[in-house]
Amino acid sequence: DSGVTQTPKHLITATGQRVTLRCSPRSGDLSVYWYQQSLDQGLQFLIQYYNGEERAKGNILERFSAQQFPDLHSELNLSSLELGDSALYFCASSATQGGTEAFFGQGTRLTVV
Amino acid sequence: QKEVEQDPGPLSVPEGAIVSLNCTYSNSAFQYFMWYRQYSRKGPELLMYTYSSGNKEDGRFTAQVDKSSKYISLFIRDSQPSDSATYLCAMSSSGTYKYIFGTGTRLKVLA
Repeated sequence: DSGVTQTPKHLITATGQRVTLRCSPRSGDLSVYWYQQSLDQGLQFLIQYYNGEERAKGNILERFSAQQFPDLHSELNLSSLELGDSALYFCASSATQGGTEAFFGQGTRLTVV
Repeated sequence: QKEVEQDPGPLSVPEGAIVSLNCTYSNSAFQYFMWYRQYSRKGPELLMYTYSSGNKEDGRFTAQVDKSSKYISLFIRDSQPSDSATYLCAMSSSGTYKYIFGTGTRLKVLA
């Protein structure tokens, strides 16, 4: 168990809908990272937050947004969902802003139908 | 050119073999190097973390970093069928605030 908790584990929704994925980092970790992993694809970096502030953005679509709350949990919001958004979404946390070990949650499997 | 290159495999070896997994990278600013193991559809599990160049050993796993060649390796001794998974390398520098991953190498250890 990495200590990073993601909910829900599975999500099935229709095209055009909006969903929210939740991540609770390891105790004491200030950084949260979101990654997308499509079938047989590598981990694509979406966005990073450190202590409530956005620090880095990757190839995150405008339809996607995220935030980190004062209690350090994070939410990834995906809207106007398309079939191509079906993927595993992983959250990772680390103690600092990169440069230390990052620990991953078990992911949320999103299926858009 | 991708920042991090990794042979996707699959790499098939007999049980007990020594496995060598490798990544090359282009960004000389990378200083922090990690290896993750990912079982099918599960979250990546951190195996090894190294800073800068050198070797690090943990049980059956040894990580090597050669910054002059921009090349990192993970060695698995006495490989077991339970080691069958996808192995991902990841890298970071102090200024980028993110980890860049290789695409992963699929390893199969045959009993």
